[in-house]
Amino acid sequence: ETGVTQTPRHLVMGMTNKKSLKCEQHLGHNAMYWYKQSAKKPLELMFVYSLEERVENNSVPSRFSPECPNSSHLFLHLHTLQPEDSALYLCASSQGGLWNEQFFGPGTRLTVL
Amino acid sequence: AQSVTQLDSHVSVSEGTPVLLRCNYSSSYSPSLFWYVQHPNKGLQLLLKYTSAATLVKGINGFEAEFKKSETSFHLTKPSAHMSDAAEYFCVVSDRGSSNTGKLIFGQGTTLQVKP
Repeated sequence: ETGVTQTPRHLVMGMTNKKSLKCEQHLGHNAMYWYKQSAKKPLELMFVYSLEERVENNSVPSRFSPECPNSSHLFLHLHTLQPEDSALYLCASSQGGLWNEQFFGPGTRLTVL
Repeated sequence: AQSVTQLDSHVSVSEGTPVLLRCNYSSSYSPSLFWYVQHPNKGLQLLLKYTSAATLVKGINGFEAEFKKSETSFHLTKPSAHMSDAAEYFCVVSDRGSSNTGKLIFGQGTTLQVKP
C-alpha cells in the first residue's frame, strides 16, 4: 500500500448504529487530518492531529470522536449520526508544519439513513 | 488572516482549447499556494505548489500556475484541455500561524467541464 488509504470506501448506517472510519498513511508523516466534504459546501476541517496530539477540533459535534493511536493511523468513531452527516469524509496527512502540503486519501462516502 | 477566493464556481471549455481557472489570495506575508484536483468520488490530488521559488510553477498533467504578488493572484492554466481534465479544482493558501499551529485554507472550488 502506498500513500493514504481509507476504509471502508462506502458506508451506509442507520442513526442508531456505531461505526468507525479508518485511515492509514504510508508516507512517514507526523500530522493527520479529518475533513468533511458535503455537496455544494466548502471543505470542512474537522480534526487535526500533530505528533499524535489533537491540536484542532473545529466545533465538531460529539457524535464524531477521533482517535490517533500512532502517527500512521487515524480513526473516526461515529455514533447516533443524523442524515445531514451524510458526506464524503476525507483523511489527509502532512509532514513538518501544519501549513505544508497535504496528501489525501480517496475518502469514505457515508450515507446516514 | 489568510484567505483565498476562486472567482468562478463553474468553467466550461471545449476539448483542445485553453483552460484558465482564477484564484486570488489574501496574505499578510509571502504565502505558499497550491492547486489540488478532485475527480468524482475521489480524494484531492496535488497538482502543483508555489513556495517562494520560481513564480511560474509547472505541475502534473500539463498544468501550470503563475504567482503574481502585485495582483495577489495564482491562476491555473493549461494550453489544451483534455476530457480527463473534467473535475473539481481547489486553490489553497497556507496559513503558517505561530509555532506549531497553522493550516491550509481551501477555496470554494471550481468545477471544470470539458465538452467534446
